[in-house]
Amino acid sequence: SQTIHQWPATLVQPVGSPLSLECTVEGTSNPNLYWYRQAAGRGLQLLFYSIGIDQISSEVPQNLSASRPQDRQFILSSKKLLLSDSGFYLCAWRPPGDTTQYFGPGTRLTVL
Amino acid sequence: SQKIEQNSEALNIQEGKTATLTCNYTNYSPAYLQWYRQDPGRGPVFLLLIRENEKEKRKERLKVTFDTTLKQSLFHITASQPADSATYLCALSGISGNTGKLIFGQGTTLQVKP
Repeated sequence: SQTIHQWPATLVQPVGSPLSLECTVEGTSNPNLYWYRQAAGRGLQLLFYSIGIDQISSEVPQNLSASRPQDRQFILSSKKLLLSDSGFYLCAWRPPGDTTQYFGPGTRLTVL
Repeated sequence: SQKIEQNSEALNIQEGKTATLTCNYTNYSPAYLQWYRQDPGRGPVFLLLIRENEKEKRKERLKVTFDTTLKQSLFHITASQPADSATYLCALSGISGNTGKLIFGQGTTLQVKP
């Protein structure tokens, strides 16, 4: 069966520090991968999606970047965090040809 | 502009009643509409998908309707239970080729009281 992992689960970082969040999927090949951010009491905002290794599309201009160095690994990064980067970050995967997305457990990021 | 809207206020109902949640959208033509459940501090979990050519879909105590003329979906939970308390998100899909992108509403929080 397929599983999706995210880490860390929670993170507290100072403004101006770098960020690296990791997402890995097991039990599938060539998944589509997605990064979302959810602000408190808000819906999910799509940040990046990837249809293959090194193929990344950005949805909104921002302080973040994403990379996909391996088929089942998706990384969200920042060189310098802003207060506005705080939120709940979710990674999701989609089987090729399917329409449903399956979400990871999320990372709660607090920037102070 | 394109929008997807769900009831912003929490829905409070008594156990055993039917909960009805609404999802409205404008300026989209989705091929699919999906509903997800999200518990506090957790990732969303897929519940149901309905296609643009389907009027209604059922799964156990859940029922979804999809009216592409009204641009609206209704999500019903019959015989609701306290365990159904969560935030429910609707999402549009099939609007961006093969990217699989989903556009989410902000969610409606349901509270079922015993």
